[in-house]
Amino acid sequence: KNEVEQSPQNLTAQEGEFITINCSYSVGISALHWLQQHPGGGIVSLFMLSSGKKKHGRLIATINIQEKHSSLHITASHPRDSAVYICAVTGSNYKLTFGKGTLLTVNP
Amino acid sequence: GAVVSQHPSRVICKSGTSVKIECRSLDFQATTMFWYRQFPKKSLMLMATSNEGSKATYEQGVEKDKFLINHASLTLSTLTVTSAHPEDSSFYICSARVDRADTQYFGPGTRLTVL
Repeated sequence: KNEVEQSPQNLTAQEGEFITINCSYSVGISALHWLQQHPGGGIVSLFMLSSGKKKHGRLIATINIQEKHSSLHITASHPRDSAVYICAVTGSNYKLTFGKGTLLTVNP
Repeated sequence: GAVVSQHPSRVICKSGTSVKIECRSLDFQATTMFWYRQFPKKSLMLMATSNEGSKATYEQGVEKDKFLINHASLTLSTLTVTSAHPEDSSFYICSARVDRADTQYFGPGTRLTVL
């Protein structure tokens, strides 16, 4: 079993919809990251959080340490949000363990 | 925000040649840099951890003689793929970490194609 599980694997939405991507992990962590990878491959770090909730524009990330679960929400989704969203956790020695990613497609 | 660059962004080489990929932190000093590899439709996999001035720590299954890592300064780490083979074709990404921080800043990646 992968240490970091994401769901869904693929998600298609219509422009304007509210989107949720989930991440569960099974190990102790010091932080959880949400990353965005566009078709060209480059990765952008969206959030790093170790507790509670963070918001940046239309993106919201939450984490529940007790339940070892995090969610990434996108409000008023737009086609430019189409990308792969990756959950990653920081374990020992600051190493990241990655989920397999969620491919989001937002149609106009 | 912090910026990490990689060079080159794309490289095509012949089998048997060596390829060097650079990872630079442009506006901060990175005590630790990480090298990742990503196969199509797969997760990123950590290859090695590179600390400035010391030998890299390789993950299990990664050949240290094939993937040479040098972290000569606090702003530069290099990955050299030696005697490249077609199976080395992949997307290589580096990240840089500031000391005593969990945040990692990712480079844009290098797509290597070995013919």
